Amino acid sequence: GENVEQHPSTLSVQEGDSAVIKCTYSDSASNYFPWYKQELGKGPQLIIDIRSNVGEKKDQRIAVTLNKTAKHFSLHITETQPEDSAVYFCAEGEDSSYKLIFGSGTRLLVRP
Amino acid sequence: GAVVSQHPSRVICKSGTSVKIECRSLDFQATTMFWYRQFPKKSLMLMATSNEGSKATYEQGVEKDKFLINHASLTLSTLTVTSAHPEDSSFYICSAALWESGTDTQYFGPGTRLTVL
Repeated sequence: GENVEQHPSTLSVQEGDSAVIKCTYSDSASNYFPWYKQELGKGPQLIIDIRSNVGEKKDQRIAVTLNKTAKHFSLHITETQPEDSAVYFCAEGEDSSYKLIFGSGTRLLVRP
Repeated sequence: GAVVSQHPSRVICKSGTSVKIECRSLDFQATTMFWYRQFPKKSLMLMATSNEGSKATYEQGVEKDKFLINHASLTLSTLTVTSAHPEDSSFYICSAALWESGTDTQYFGPGTRLTVL
């Protein structure tokens, strides 16, 4: 069935260092992979997404890479700042279906 | 753009009462909206998919008579928790799908924290 595994569950980095969060999916039909940032008590905010026709996408300090053969995708945050501290969720979906399947989340702490 | 609002942000109710939560897409029309439930420190669990003008599609294990969904317009979907009980206490989040770049991108509301006493 549909499943997304996300690692690590918690990640602590020093301000200025990079953070990497990885997700693995099982559905070969998946072709849309968004990443969401959720701050305490708020709804998830879309920060970046990638579709299966590209292998990498970058937006300032945030990048996402996709390996469709291995069925995994990763979020990369460079030059981390304390305000990057939050819970990050990966998700996967198909064009033919509107459903998103979410990973279990990664709690990122950026230490000043 | 792509702003989704929810109302109320917090609600406390007595056991046995019903609670309605509204989800609105403020600057775009959404044919499809989604309702999620999130337990503390857990991931989002899709409850149902709401399509404008038709019945909602519920995920397995979600009671449709318990969680009533109405999507009466392209900018509004409502979730009514009927005869609420303490185990219904949770963070309820909606999202609205915006068609762009060949697929639907989901934008989430800020969530509604429901506490049933």
